[in-house]
Amino acid sequence: AQRVTQPEKLLSVFKGAPVELKCNYSYSGSPELFWYVQYSRQRLQLLLRHISRESIKGFTADLNKGETSFHLKKPFAQEEDSAMYYCALRGYNFNKFYFGSGTKLNVKP
Amino acid sequence: GAGVSQSPRYKVAKRGQDVALRCDPISGHVSLFWYQQALGQGPEFLTYFQNEAQLDKSGLPSDRFFAERPEGSVSTLKIQRTQQEDSAVYLCASRTRLAGEVEQFFGPGTRLTVL
Repeated sequence: AQRVTQPEKLLSVFKGAPVELKCNYSYSGSPELFWYVQYSRQRLQLLLRHISRESIKGFTADLNKGETSFHLKKPFAQEEDSAMYYCALRGYNFNKFYFGSGTKLNVKP
Repeated sequence: GAGVSQSPRYKVAKRGQDVALRCDPISGHVSLFWYQQALGQGPEFLTYFQNEAQLDKSGLPSDRFFAERPEGSVSTLKIQRTQQEDSAVYLCASRTRLAGEVEQFFGPGTRLTVL
């Protein structure tokens, strides 16, 4: 079964602290993984995808197939990073995405 | 340019009523998706259109849910005989025709509350 798990509902850190949002997946093939973000009163939007191996707004995520994880990391959190973050997987059916339940990141001043 | 729009933004229905939710995708976008997002959960896939063809409806939870996109642009998600468990935010997303493109552009959602 294809499934995405985000174990933390809420993560609170202070500004300038490192942050790691956890994502684990269940998939038997080679998955495509994504992080989506939803800022307050804004739409869900793509943050980054593992294939591009890019850093967006200081965030990076590495696919670890051994641990079936795709954790999102940022070395120094900013207040404007406060948002809901969703990990998503695109599996066998290229048009079907599976989302985790989301982690709310709260960056305190 | 204009993004994906959805209407109404909020809908309150009495149990047993039928509702229709509208999605206007970004002009020229071939692919259109519907998702259901229950409170405290992530979006769950409902159905997918490529132009006017509904290629995947495996996520529709029951035969009370029906989606259409007759002219390959605007889409309507219809829920018949609404139940309390249908209360959720319904998200629409669209995507270009570019080969290999994966990014979906989401609308603001319609929050449905069934009393």
